[in-house]
Amino acid sequence: DSGVTQTPKHLITATGQRVTLRCSPRSGDLSVYWYQQSLDQGLQFLIQYYNGEERAKGNILERFSAQQFPDLHSELNLSSLELGDSALYFCASSYGGTYSDTQYFGPGTRLTVL
Amino acid sequence: AQSVTQLGSHVSVSEGALVLLRCNYSSSVPPYLFWYVQYPNQGLQLLLKYTSAATLVKGINGFEAEFKKSETSFHLTKPSAHMSDAAEYFCAVSSRAGGTSYGKLTFGQGTILTVHP
Repeated sequence: DSGVTQTPKHLITATGQRVTLRCSPRSGDLSVYWYQQSLDQGLQFLIQYYNGEERAKGNILERFSAQQFPDLHSELNLSSLELGDSALYFCASSYGGTYSDTQYFGPGTRLTVL
Repeated sequence: AQSVTQLGSHVSVSEGALVLLRCNYSSSVPPYLFWYVQYPNQGLQLLLKYTSAATLVKGINGFEAEFKKSETSFHLTKPSAHMSDAAEYFCAVSSRAGGTSYGKLTFGQGTILTVHP
C-alpha cells in the first residue's frame, strides 16, 4: 500500500458525460501528479500540482481539468467524454514535486466510456 | 526532451533463470531513472531508483539495475526468477529538462514478464 488513495476504483459512463476522479496523497506529500494509462498511448503524464498550484502540464486535453485543494487532495475532471478517454487514470504523490523525487502511485481509477 | 525505450514488450523466462529487462533513455541533462512494477489490477510500485550516487542500484525483491552512461542504458536484472515476479515492468526517466525542475516522469512502453514453472 503506497498510501495514495483514489476513488472511485471503477467508473462506467456514457459519451458526452462528465466525471470527477479523486485522489488523496500520502500523508506529508505536497505534490500530486495525474497520469493516463491506455493500451495505445501507454503511460502519459497529464498534470502536476504542488501545494495547491499547477506546476506542470503534459498531454492533457482541454476537456480535462484538475485542481488541488487546501487539504492537498486533488480532483481530475473529465468532460464531454469520448470513447477514446477510456483508460486507467493514476494519481501519484511526492513530497517536493521536483524531478529528483520518488513518486508513489495510487491503485488507479478505471474509466470506461460507452 | 527526454524519452525511454524498453526493448521487448514481452519477455518469458523459466523459474530460476536470469531476468533481464532492457531500458535505454535519452536525456539532454543528467537523468534520474526509475523502474516500477505493475501487478494485474494494481498501481505502480517502485522497484528502484538511480540518483547518480552509485551506478549499480539495488532494489526490492532481489532486483538491481546498472546505469551505463556510455550506452544510455539502465537495464533491470534479477539472478533467479520467481513465479511471483510475473508482472509488467516500466522504466521511467525524469530530469531538469528545459531548465525546469518539475517532476514529470516519462515512461517506456512497458515489458510484460512471464515466468514459466
